[in-house]
Amino acid sequence: EVQLVESGGGLIQPGGSLRLSCAASGFAVSSNYMSWVRQAPGKGLEWVSLTYSGGNTYYADSVKGRFTISRDNSKNTLHLQMNRLRDGDTAVYYCARELVAAADNGYYYYLDVWGKVTTVTVSS
Amino acid sequence: SSELTQDPAVSVALGQTVRITCQGDSLRSYYASWYQQRPGQAPVLVIYGENNRPSGIPDRFSGSTSGNTGSLTITGAQAEDEADYYCASRDSSDNHHYVFGIGTTVTVL
Repeated sequence: EVQLVESGGGLIQPGGSLRLSCAASGFAVSSNYMSWVRQAPGKGLEWVSLTYSGGNTYYADSVKGRFTISRDNSKNTLHLQMNRLRDGDTAVYYCARELVAAADNGYYYYLDVWGKVTTVTVSS
Repeated sequence: SSELTQDPAVSVALGQTVRITCQGDSLRSYYASWYQQRPGQAPVLVIYGENNRPSGIPDRFSGSTSGNTGSLTITGAQAEDEADYYCASRDSSDNHHYVFGIGTTVTVL
């Protein structure tokens, strides 16, 4: 069964750091595009970061320079290192696998598997 | 970055049909994908590409695209379809980024 299980969330003071983990089963994170998506309390979904199977990484402007996405292929795990945390980073965080398929006019992308959630609360 | 616009809320009578729309420039370049999120649960993919349903998604869910607008239609809405629905696509202004709509809350009456 294809599954993602996040961990690492918690309560942290502003300016602090946390590392989220996302353990995959049923597929290899090393050969897939993987994303982090977050959802602030009562708000909608916000894309945070993407890593391609080749290793390139991309970030939303709101977290660029503070967050780092990475993989540990030996443990089949995706990570999100979050530094200099702010109140606005308070959210539930999901990891997700992105698939790509060819269409007549190019490609289409979609997040087919999502993790359960891990909660990050930034507060003094 | 680009935006995807959704109506905040719609309601539908049990067994009737509801269409949720998503507008944005990115949809001229990329198909929308659609996600259902029930309260307290993780999002679930319901439609992707031109009109594809993952395994296990009922065939009452369908998708379509025209110009800069993507649509999700629920034909014969059931009580369990009451949820938030988000559209998403790659961002045409920076195609390594994703963009989500604000979400549409569907209430089944």
